[in-house]
Amino acid sequence: AQSVTQPDIHITVSEGASLELRCNYSYGATPYLFWYVQSPGQGLQLLLKYFSGDTLVQGIKGFEAEFKRSQSSFNLRKPSVHWSDAAEYFCAVGALTGGGNKLTFGTGTQLKVEL
Amino acid sequence: DAGVIQSPRHEVTEMGQEVTLRCKPISGHDYLFWYRQTMMRGLELLIYFNNNVPIDDSGMPEDRFSAKMPNASFSTLKIQPSEPRDSAVYFCASSIGGFRNIQYFGAGTRLSVL
Repeated sequence: AQSVTQPDIHITVSEGASLELRCNYSYGATPYLFWYVQSPGQGLQLLLKYFSGDTLVQGIKGFEAEFKRSQSSFNLRKPSVHWSDAAEYFCAVGALTGGGNKLTFGTGTQLKVEL
Repeated sequence: DAGVIQSPRHEVTEMGQEVTLRCKPISGHDYLFWYRQTMMRGLELLIYFNNNVPIDDSGMPEDRFSAKMPNASFSTLKIQPSEPRDSAVYFCASSIGGFRNIQYFGAGTRLSVL
């Protein structure tokens, strides 16, 4: 079965600083990888996804992520963080296991942005 | 489109009572997912439907939980009887063609069982 690990529960960065959120996955085949963001009191919104091809994927709101098969990682980055980026970020892996069609989410990383 | 609509937004009930959560997916979407979010366990998939048919309910915690999708525009998640450990935020999401396409999430229902 697939699994996702987000080792950082909380991260605090200053506005304008760069950001990297870590994600490691476990899956026997080529994974489908996603990053979602959840603002307080809201549902999740897709930032970006990776299925195949170029290992550096661009998403909304200036985010990007890089798939590294050798490290089983899919880290999320942003060159310059804005105060509005404060939210919880979830990495997820998708699999067509057992004929299914499901996502497994990590436990999330809470991002705080200091002004 | 108004997006995925969940009701109620907040529900407070007493242990032993029946709770029904409702979801209206985005029109035209053929997949519907129910998730539960807690501090301890994070975001868990409970069940999902394809074309109104339940496909995988392996995440449903126990027989007290049931979900239905009588038509393409409506789904319910029912807990009977409810217990304090069911307190969580329950999300509904819908998509076209399964997880490889964007899942659109509702705002969630925050359930508190006293």
